[in-house]
Amino acid sequence: QSALTQPASVSGSPGQSITISCTGTSSDIGVYNYVSWYQQHPGKAPKLMIYDVRNRPSGVSDRFSGSRSGNTASLTISGLQAEDEADYYCNSYTSSSTWVFGGGTKLTVL
Amino acid sequence: QVQLEQSGAEVKKPGSSVKVSCRASGGTFSNYAVTWVRQAPGQGLEWMGGIIPIFGSVNYAQRFQGRVTITADETTSTAYMELSSLRSEDTAVYYCARGPQYSGYDQTTNWFDPWGQGTLVTVSS
Repeated sequence: QSALTQPASVSGSPGQSITISCTGTSSDIGVYNYVSWYQQHPGKAPKLMIYDVRNRPSGVSDRFSGSRSGNTASLTISGLQAEDEADYYCNSYTSSSTWVFGGGTKLTVL
Repeated sequence: QVQLEQSGAEVKKPGSSVKVSCRASGGTFSNYAVTWVRQAPGQGLEWMGGIIPIFGSVNYAQRFQGRVTITADETTSTAYMELSSLRSEDTAVYYCARGPQYSGYDQTTNWFDPWGQGTLVTVSS
C-alpha cells in the first residue's frame, strides 16, 4: 500500500485560508468515508483534527474543515493563526483492511 | 478520560528485538483497538498494525509481517509491540493510539485518538 500523496509544504499569512490536499486511490479515499486528519507539532504526538472526512472532534476549532472529491480529500484551515504552524497528515482506511497515512505537509504561517 | 502511557526510550543493537508497552490510564481499552504507528527521524507517520484486545485479533502492515508482534493484556490494560531483527532503519519514534472502536466485530469508528507520548527506539551498533 503506497502512502497517500500530500504536498510537502504549504504556507499562508495570518488570517488567510489554506487547503492541504491528500490524494489516494479507488481502494482507499475513493471508496471509504474513513479519512482523518492529524496535526503534529515538533516533538509532540499527533492530534486528531478531522474524522470521517469532515467531522471535528469536540474541542477542535471550527476553523478546521474537511472535504472529499473522488480520490482526493482536503483539509482547509481558515483564519490562519500562528499556532496552526505544524505538520499535517491525512489517513484513510483501505480495501485491504489496513490503514495508510499521507506523507505529511508542513504548514508555515508567514 | 483515557490517556495512553508508553514505556521509555530504548537503545538496541542491530539484529536484536525491542518491546514497547502502552498502558491505558483512566480507563481501559474496552472495545477499542490499539494501533501502532512509527515515525522515523524527519519522516512521516507509518501504520504498523493493530490489535483488538477483547478479541485478540491482530492486523499487520505487509512490510512488517514476520517481524512485528502486537499483543495485549486486558487485565492490565496494556498493549505491546515487539519488533525483531532490528536494523538502523528501524530507528524511530513508536506511537500507540486508541482506535478504531468496535461493536462486536463491526468497526464503528475510523480514527485514532488519543495517542501515547511516543517511544524513541534507537538502533545502533
